[in-house]
Amino acid sequence: EAAVTQSPRNKVTVTGGNVTLSCRQTNSHNYMYWYRQDTGHGLRLIHYSYGAGNLQIGDVPDGYKATRTTQEDFFLLLELASPSQTSLYFCASSVGTGGNTLYFGAGTRLSVL
Amino acid sequence: GEQVEQRPPHLSVREGDSAVITCTYTDPNSYYFFWYKQEPGASLQLLMKVFSSTEINEGQGFTVLLNKKDKRLSLNLTAAHPGDSAAYFCAVSATTGGNNKLTFGQGTVLSVIP
Repeated sequence: EAAVTQSPRNKVTVTGGNVTLSCRQTNSHNYMYWYRQDTGHGLRLIHYSYGAGNLQIGDVPDGYKATRTTQEDFFLLLELASPSQTSLYFCASSVGTGGNTLYFGAGTRLSVL
Repeated sequence: GEQVEQRPPHLSVREGDSAVITCTYTDPNSYYFFWYKQEPGASLQLLMKVFSSTEINEGQGFTVLLNKKDKRLSLNLTAAHPGDSAAYFCAVSATTGGNNKLTFGQGTVLSVIP
């Protein structure tokens, strides 16, 4: 079973604050993803990566940066957080794309006041 | 790009009743189709996946129907029980391009009343 660990589980910050969300996967998956989940929108892809040092832009990237430092670690950075970024964030990993299953972390609930 | 519409957003049924959740998609090149389940307060886990042409997959009390002609995917619960109460998301991936991103539907919150 793939293991994807996110930290922190909950985060509160103020508008303009700096936030880093962390994700680690331990199954040597090539692909890692950051999604945000909002009511009425389902899951929307922010950024993804297919290996260390690689970064691909997702569907809702504005206001977010990401960095894949190793095969295991993928970070999401909010450098000037805004209230519109209040959301539930999920990290996921997969062996490949297409028909491969995504394995999700437990999620990080972020509130920007 | 791909757009996925999932209906209904909320569904309440009595235990033992059937329930149907439907997704329609726009990209005719879509090839991989998934259903994920999210229990309250938990993360998403794969429920079922369907590939290629019209196909019926069954398991765990669910049936998945794929109609590529109509670009429609459905999840059918034959006899719901309280443990099925959760949010369900369809997801679709096309074959075009080197990176086949998944596009998720908006989700359906299913409540099964004992």
